Amino acid sequence: SQKIEQNSEALNIQEGKTATLTCNYTNYSPAYLQWYRQDPGRGPVFLLLIRENEKEKRKERLKVTFDTTLKQSLFHITASQPADSATYLCALNQAGTALIFGKGTTLSVSS
Amino acid sequence: NAGVTQTPKFQVLKTGQSMTLQCAQDMNHEYMSWYRQDPGMGLRLIHYSVGAGITDQGEVPNGYNVSRSTTEDFPLRLLSAAPSQTSVYFCASTPGVGTNEKLFFGSGTQLSVL
Repeated sequence: SQKIEQNSEALNIQEGKTATLTCNYTNYSPAYLQWYRQDPGRGPVFLLLIRENEKEKRKERLKVTFDTTLKQSLFHITASQPADSATYLCALNQAGTALIFGKGTTLSVSS
Repeated sequence: NAGVTQTPKFQVLKTGQSMTLQCAQDMNHEYMSWYRQDPGMGLRLIHYSVGAGITDQGEVPNGYNVSRSTTEDFPLRLLSAAPSQTSVYFCASTPGVGTNEKLFFGSGTQLSVL
């Protein structure tokens, strides 16, 4: 069956360090992958989209990689801040018309 | 620009009651969808629509009905609520018919079924 797995439910790091979150998938051949941020009591907010022919995408302190051979995406936050504390979700397209989400990784950045 | 608006924000139902969760977007998006989010389960797709008059089932459609009579509105109906439908519900939209664009989410409806 098709599955999206995010490496851990929770990740705790110190301020200033780089946070690395992992998204693995099986039995998909997605054309693109997306990352979202969700704060408690709020809806997810789009961060980045990376296409299958792109190896890496950057936006300010965020970097996403996409390895279709390994079936894996890595999401990096450099120079992390307490304000980066949130749940981060990866999502893949399925059959071109529906976006399927992983369960998310909750990041806590301590000062 | 309001974006995606969901009402109500909170709702408590008794088992067997029916209700409609409202979702409206003012961005002229063709694609709209409903997800439910449960602890440990992540976001799961219930139903989606690629345009007015067109709807399709997602991963967990049982117990829910939808319709899309206008581009702006995509209501989710619970015909006979069950405790298993206690969840947070999110509506989302995107401009294109496909989903190779970012989803815009509403703020959610927290539903409790007793």
